[in-house]
Amino acid sequence: GESVGLHLPTLSVQEGDNSIINCAYSNSASDYFIWYKQESGKGPQFIIDIRSNMDKRQGQRVTVLLNKTVKHLSLQIAATQPGDSAVYFCAENNSSARQLTFGSGTQLTVLP
Amino acid sequence: DGGITQSPKYLFRKEGQNVTLSCEQNLNHDAMYWYRQDPGQGLRLIYYSQIVNDFQKGDIAEGYSVSREKKESFPLTVTSAQKNPTAFYLCASKDRDRGPNGYTFGSGTRLTVV
Repeated sequence: GESVGLHLPTLSVQEGDNSIINCAYSNSASDYFIWYKQESGKGPQFIIDIRSNMDKRQGQRVTVLLNKTVKHLSLQIAATQPGDSAVYFCAENNSSARQLTFGSGTQLTVLP
Repeated sequence: DGGITQSPKYLFRKEGQNVTLSCEQNLNHDAMYWYRQDPGQGLRLIYYSQIVNDFQKGDIAEGYSVSREKKESFPLTVTSAQKNPTAFYLCASKDRDRGPNGYTFGSGTRLTVV
């Protein structure tokens, strides 16, 4: 079956720097993508989403970029803070399947 | 505050035992879901329910069972038939009229076989 995956399992950044977390997807029929943040021992929290008819969407300190040509999704976090340390994973939605498919996640560690 | 509550937070099971994980939501959501999370893997769907008294198997339903007798509750039983039950289990709910961004997740139950 098709899957969503991440390029890097871990990412360490200095506090104040920008972070970029990547995600590759293979289902060209996916029409909606979501980024989640999951802190240790907790459930995932919605960060930002993007529809397949868009290539960029911005939130507060976060930006999601979608490149449908190469089936790539990225999450950019500006001015990374210690509270941003968590696992980040993407999810794709196939409207016909009506279910989300989740990536495996990237552990982001913010260094002091 | 409305939310979704999973209990217990930690659960230990002896081999051969059945255990039940609780999931309760007061969000008035129609749909509820159970996911399993293993290290280095994405969430995998075990079972889901779109309405009371109805539920469907997900991708990895073998060794698990569920019930949906009330809208608020969707307990998951991990049976002795599940050969590798040690994992982090997440429950989620979603309103039927919301899109894919409408999932609310619980805080999870970590199940360990001893």
